[in-house]
Amino acid sequence: DAGVIQSPRHEVTEMGQEVTLRCKPISGHDYLFWYRQTMMRGLELLIYFNNNVPIDDSGMPEDRFSAKMPNASFSTLKIQPSEPRDSAVYFCASSQGRGPSGYEKLFFGSGTQLSVL
Amino acid sequence: DQQVKQNSPSLSVQEGRISILNCDYTNSMFDYFLWYKKYPAEGPTFLISISSIKDKNEDGRFTVFLNKSAKHLSLHIVPSQPGDSAVYFCAAKSGNEKLTFGTGTRLTIIP
Repeated sequence: DAGVIQSPRHEVTEMGQEVTLRCKPISGHDYLFWYRQTMMRGLELLIYFNNNVPIDDSGMPEDRFSAKMPNASFSTLKIQPSEPRDSAVYFCASSQGRGPSGYEKLFFGSGTQLSVL
Repeated sequence: DQQVKQNSPSLSVQEGRISILNCDYTNSMFDYFLWYKKYPAEGPTFLISISSIKDKNEDGRFTVFLNKSAKHLSLHIVPSQPGDSAVYFCAAKSGNEKLTFGTGTRLTIIP
């Protein structure tokens, strides 16, 4: 399997523009996560889906952020309008359900480096 | 409110010596802990984990220690190798709740 695939790898945009980040999870994984990495806060969970249904979006910073998962092989994270403080690396991750510990390890994509000028 | 803290942003260690990365947490309900490793321009990858019912878990050169009374977790790498140079993230969870990550420690192994 190719792993979790994210696009684009880099995105540079101007303040106020709409940004859409894309993710293709590993086939067969039923959990999908969107994380944001910043120096100050490390890896923050924004939202996660189980079987395409959003389960917890409490980490989504503002109404400017939205995420969808129309099917098991595709998800998007949209920021509209974008602001300079949204500049960060955004990671998508997927996992294959929950094991006995209540956890299965996450497989991360390579991330999207977003710069909002 | 940072529930998982990695207070050392960076660490440099001589090749062949022991690397010790530390992590503190504040939530006493956390019952599962993990370390992830991240190379530049790549996503984090799972390294090792430990359940709260244990105080040590070993996998090759990597050992994770858990001190529940101190709410402290550490990762030991022995011996350190140049390929270990990366950013290491500590993470924790409670039950089926989401993973909470720390801010990461950049480890540099000096040849």
